[in-house]
Amino acid sequence: GAGVSQTPSNKVTEKGKYVELRCDPISGHTALYWYRQSLGQGPEFLIYFQGTGAADDSGLPNDRFFAVRPEGSVSTLKIQRTERGDSAVYLCASSSASGRIGGELFFGEGSRLTVL
Amino acid sequence: GENVEQHPSTLSVQEGDSAVIKCTYSDSASNYFPWYKQELGKRPQLIIDIRSNVGEKKDQRIAVTLNKTAKHFSLHITETQPEDSAVYFCAANGDKLSFGAGTTVTVRA
Repeated sequence: GAGVSQTPSNKVTEKGKYVELRCDPISGHTALYWYRQSLGQGPEFLIYFQGTGAADDSGLPNDRFFAVRPEGSVSTLKIQRTERGDSAVYLCASSSASGRIGGELFFGEGSRLTVL
Repeated sequence: GENVEQHPSTLSVQEGDSAVIKCTYSDSASNYFPWYKQELGKRPQLIIDIRSNVGEKKDQRIAVTLNKTAKHFSLHITETQPEDSAVYFCAANGDKLSFGAGTTVTVRA
């Protein structure tokens, strides 16, 4: 079907607020990744799901960040008590291959988060 | 974890010339090395990849080479065209896919 879909495409919020970012991967892709990209930087790894479980969450910067993928498809990245430093583009990607095997990641258009 | 370093950070070439981007990685267990192209305001898209059992791979004007011993790999673009202008990222799959910081390529007409 369609490619990776992310919503919202843009989110402006105030410092201290709670934010949810949604990712709808390509149907059938078991691997799902969240990355964060700041201007002029490469994608920074946050968390990787294989199926419903978080196979690697070592990139989450602190306990304000949390992500779920309850049914092995759609994933939600949740950010509590947002800070100005959280402002970035949050990219979601899915793949039919697991991390260690390696395969093409299909990226969404990203959710641009701005914390005022 | 995997650490990927990429250089140069910016590269300006005359149309028709070649462009070369180099990356190094730290995890000797990495076995998959993709290159992504990201145009301004767009999502990253895979342009070529190479696995550790191969030393070189070519696809039209794009080629990638891999030196496992030295833990470095390179992207070569020949006969550059204006549409090659973009940011290019290398990556390596240690325990997860880690990206370099990117190279902004500008092709001058």
